[in-house]
Amino acid sequence: DGGITQSPKYLFRKEGQNVTLSCEQNLNHDAMYWYRQDPGQGLRLIYYSQIVNDFQKGDIAEGYSVSREKKESFPLTVTSAQKNPTAFYLCASSSASGGQETQYFGPGTRLLVL
Amino acid sequence: RKEVEQDPGPFNVPEGATVAFNCTYSNSASQSFFWYRQDCRKEPKLLMSVYSSGNEDGRFTAQLNRASQYISLLIRDSKLSDSATYLCVVKGGYSSASKIIFGSGTRLSIRP
Repeated sequence: DGGITQSPKYLFRKEGQNVTLSCEQNLNHDAMYWYRQDPGQGLRLIYYSQIVNDFQKGDIAEGYSVSREKKESFPLTVTSAQKNPTAFYLCASSSASGGQETQYFGPGTRLLVL
Repeated sequence: RKEVEQDPGPFNVPEGATVAFNCTYSNSASQSFFWYRQDCRKEPKLLMSVYSSGNEDGRFTAQLNRASQYISLLIRDSKLSDSATYLCVVKGGYSSASKIIFGSGTRLSIRP
């Protein structure tokens, strides 16, 4: 089955700790995205990547880092510099074929600070 | 003014009713529009794209009004399973590099 997987489903972070969220897709999509969703709010873009070995900051990149070494994978690291990391993190991908291409989302990771 | 605005609701309607909600956007150059559905504690899933001429998919109808800069979603003969949050998504253009803005969502609750 083609799709996007994220792991873990729940993640707990201690103060001062860096944690990495996994995102893998087998849809052969070029573009991948990371969003953060807080309760009662819309999705906010953290980082996106249109091609392997290239990525761009979104609206709220501070305290986060990413890599795109493989087309299928776009991991997100939440660093200790992110002071309010508790949120629902969603990874998405889309083809870069132009037109009305749409984003498909993974099931998300809930990050909680201990 | 927010770039994409939605009435947060909740809209509480009886099963079988018709319900409609709008989403306004501020960037007149926006090119692509979508409605996503998000169930509680789940990821958003594409409901439908919104085309300039309007489009229909079963009980769902989406329309775009460029002059007034809003899109709408109409749900006919609502089902209990339609209860969810509906997210409006607006893209500045057609490429994957175009800025994508998500609305905060409109909560819909269908009662028996």
